[in-house]
Amino acid sequence: NAGVTQTPKFRVLKTGQSMTLLCAQDMNHEYMYWYRQDPGMGLRLIHYSVGEGTTAKGEVPDGYNVSRLKKQNFLLGLESAAPSQTSVYFCASKDGLRGQPQHFGDGTRLSIL
Amino acid sequence: GNSVTQMEGPVTLSEEAFLTINCTYTATGYPSLFWYVQYPGEGLQLLLKATKADDKGSNKGFEATYRKETTSFHLEKGSVQVSDSAVYFCALSEETNAGKSTFGDGTTLTVKP
Repeated sequence: NAGVTQTPKFRVLKTGQSMTLLCAQDMNHEYMYWYRQDPGMGLRLIHYSVGEGTTAKGEVPDGYNVSRLKKQNFLLGLESAAPSQTSVYFCASKDGLRGQPQHFGDGTRLSIL
Repeated sequence: GNSVTQMEGPVTLSEEAFLTINCTYTATGYPSLFWYVQYPGEGLQLLLKATKADDKGSNKGFEATYRKETTSFHLEKGSVQVSDSAVYFCALSEETNAGKSTFGDGTTLTVKP
């Protein structure tokens, strides 16, 4: 059981370039989330989805877009990367039942020069 | 809004010492409470959880009790090992809010032999 898989694991971009981070889950979970983790700032929610075809803004959505065309996949896009977006990005998924935890991928380490 | 406050780190202990990491929360409803652990280079993984007042979550020798009267969920372990060295996150989740979680800033634990 793979759980939540993120690709790529590492990436270096130049300012202004674009890229897409992929998150795939094989647990048939309804909810999916994208976070960024920065030193001293904990986890901050970027965007989330409550089901296929739906997306919503989280705490820090500016500069990012998302799509959830298939239930198992949640894509995070950076249209024009900025150095402030250098971070570790985590995807998580969760089923809709009360008291269930989020399941996290191992992260994508993104550096923007 | 919801918030989670964790004991600031880092925390350094000798092997077999007693561990307490304090966690208090503010929530508008009746949240579920979680402790997650993050090892270097990995995503967060569930350590334990509690879904209602007075519930005790336990796993791998770690315990935490949901205290509604003090809005707390302190993590304890009677005898830590070197392998417990990691970052620990306290979190709450309210199912009425798309299952979104609010995380504390994390506490880094280092256990020395």
